[in-house]
Amino acid sequence: QLQLQESGPGLVKPSETLSLTCTVSGGSISSSSYYWGWIRQPPGKGLEWIGSIYYSGSTYYNPSLKSRVTISVDTSKNQFSLKLSSVTAADTAVYYCAKSAVAATNWFDPWGQGTLVTVSS
Amino acid sequence: QPVLTQPPSASASLGASVTLTCTLSSGYSNYKVDWYQQRPGKGPRFVMRVGTGGIVGSKGDGIPDRFSVLGSGLNRYLTIKNIQEEDESDYHCGADHGSGSNFFVVFGGGTKLTVL
Repeated sequence: QLQLQESGPGLVKPSETLSLTCTVSGGSISSSSYYWGWIRQPPGKGLEWIGSIYYSGSTYYNPSLKSRVTISVDTSKNQFSLKLSSVTAADTAVYYCAKSAVAATNWFDPWGQGTLVTVSS
Repeated sequence: QPVLTQPPSASASLGASVTLTCTLSSGYSNYKVDWYQQRPGKGPRFVMRVGTGGIVGSKGDGIPDRFSVLGSGLNRYLTIKNIQEEDESDYHCGADHGSGSNFFVVFGGGTKLTVL
């Protein structure tokens, strides 16, 4: 059964770069059938899609975050990563990684348990 | 891209039924919407996808038969029958838009369902 697990610092200073990694287990990140995505949820608010990546490295980003976001994949470690630069308090959120299919069934399933990142000095 | 609108809250008594609504912005009546359940302190869980013809594909793993969907016009509905305590959750709807470099995913604000 495919599982995803987010990891990374829980506290980031303003203006610095947030870095998170999602480790995929129970399946290969190199599958041609899947995209791998990042979604975040500020405290008490709704979900916001950050971006998605294909194992080949093709990326799709939320235009509102595109200038600050980089998503990359490391097939040797079965991981993909998120970097968000120049963070502010508005970037404080629970960050989730999730899988979606390449086919018409491209909903996000499954999701990781999420990791809280707080931006504060 | 489409905007998805959800009421912030809903409530229903144990054993009753409730229908949650996700409304697409004008011009997007042919869009499919995904429903996600998020229990307190947990990550979201895929429930099912809905279009104007009803469910698209299959339900998420472990989603009981008490959950069903319907689509009409700009509205996408999630109905839960015989509500149980474990159904108390936030319910989010999401939709994807575009293709290639214009691909985009949007979510509604979520509805908090309280079981009375």
